[in-house]
Amino acid sequence: AQSVTQLGSHVSVSEGALVLLRCNYSSSVPPYLFWYVQYPNQGLQLLLKYTTGATLVKGINGFEAEFKKSETSFHLTKPSAHMSDAAEYFCAVSDTGRRALTFGSGTRLQVQP
Amino acid sequence: DSGVTQTPKHLITATGQRVTLRCSPRSGDLSVYWYQQSLDQGLQFLIQYYNGEERAKGNILERFSAQQFPDLHSELNLSSLELGDSALYFCASSEGQGWSYEQYFGPGTRLTVT
Repeated sequence: AQSVTQLGSHVSVSEGALVLLRCNYSSSVPPYLFWYVQYPNQGLQLLLKYTTGATLVKGINGFEAEFKKSETSFHLTKPSAHMSDAAEYFCAVSDTGRRALTFGSGTRLQVQP
Repeated sequence: DSGVTQTPKHLITATGQRVTLRCSPRSGDLSVYWYQQSLDQGLQFLIQYYNGEERAKGNILERFSAQQFPDLHSELNLSSLELGDSALYFCASSEGQGWSYEQYFGPGTRLTVT
């Protein structure tokens, strides 16, 4: 079975600081990996995804993530946090074999002025 | 605005009742997905339809059912409702049926069971 672990349910950074949100997955077959963002009272929006190819994936709003197979990780980073980045972030994993999508428990990002 | 619409926005009903949630996908999208988000269970994938046919099934209870109609809109039916079914239900749509396609999420329907 596939699973996703997001370390840290709450992360707080200062405006302008590095954002690092951690995601580790387990999957018996090559995975598809996703990061979604959810702003208050809204649905989810895709930030970026890894399916095949380049392991460093660039997404919207300056976010990027690196697929590291040896570490089974897909951490999300952004060099400089903005106040508008405050939201909840979800990592998710899927694969063509399982035909389902499994989400992590989410990390709430707080950005301090 | 993702282009995915969901109705109603809010729904309050009593235990034992049945409700229907509706989703209209983005123009041109053939896949529809349903998700449940609750405080205790987190975000869970329920079911996927592609062009009218069920394609993938997640943690969907037997009391729940869904369908996708010829015009591609979808409905999620929840019956014999329990307090624990209170949650935010999201619909998403994508162009294709594989998981590599980007999913566009609707604003959700908040269901409260009293």
